[in-house]
Amino acid sequence: DTAVSQTPKYLVTQMGNDKSIKCEQNLGHDTMYWYKQDSKKFLKIMFSYNNKELIINETVPNRFSPKSPDKAHLNLHINSLELGDSAVYFCASSPPRTGERPDTQYFGPGTRLTVL
Amino acid sequence: AQSVTQLGSHVSVSEGALVLLRCNYSSSVPPYLFWYVQYPNQGLQLLLKYTSAATLVKGINGFEAEFKKSETSFHLTKPSAHMSDAAEYFCAVTDSGGYQKVTFGTGTKLQVIP
Repeated sequence: DTAVSQTPKYLVTQMGNDKSIKCEQNLGHDTMYWYKQDSKKFLKIMFSYNNKELIINETVPNRFSPKSPDKAHLNLHINSLELGDSAVYFCASSPPRTGERPDTQYFGPGTRLTVL
Repeated sequence: AQSVTQLGSHVSVSEGALVLLRCNYSSSVPPYLFWYVQYPNQGLQLLLKYTSAATLVKGINGFEAEFKKSETSFHLTKPSAHMSDAAEYFCAVTDSGGYQKVTFGTGTKLQVIP
């Protein structure tokens, strides 16, 4: 009964490679997110999609490209990987907002990316 | 722009002692505030949230937080620490406008000493 799942859990790769991380949620949520958590545990939002539409696009290198084939999936593709891309990447989802009140974000277990 | 500041990157308490994790926010509009917990090698899990209803918010695992507008604070407390409370705790803020862009604090690692 996994709510938000990510694959792979660990990803070790060489500089310059291209890799993808997949995220799926079975909560019926409309909005999904990608976060990057660095080695100091700082968590920063990268992207957000609502019903397959990009709604948040922070200052992220264009080597990072999110793709949402449907509202239950949000994948992250990274081109030309660099050492600084090493981090834990978290996917999250949230239900539609009711009125002005924001709702809880549900996080996946994370993907630890190591670039050598 | 909104932000949160967590005072103390590491906090150590004895088992059974009071837990107090500090969070101050900065927001030009009424904020919505959250506390999340991250256990080792896991994703974040919501502890509690303030959404402009009661200022004292009770969450899971015996945690609570009080929203104090005059102090721009949203400190997290628990009367008696358990060993299982050892984790990283994140304060976060968002606003009512637009889509749900959440800004996280830098985290506080809680250590519980037996």
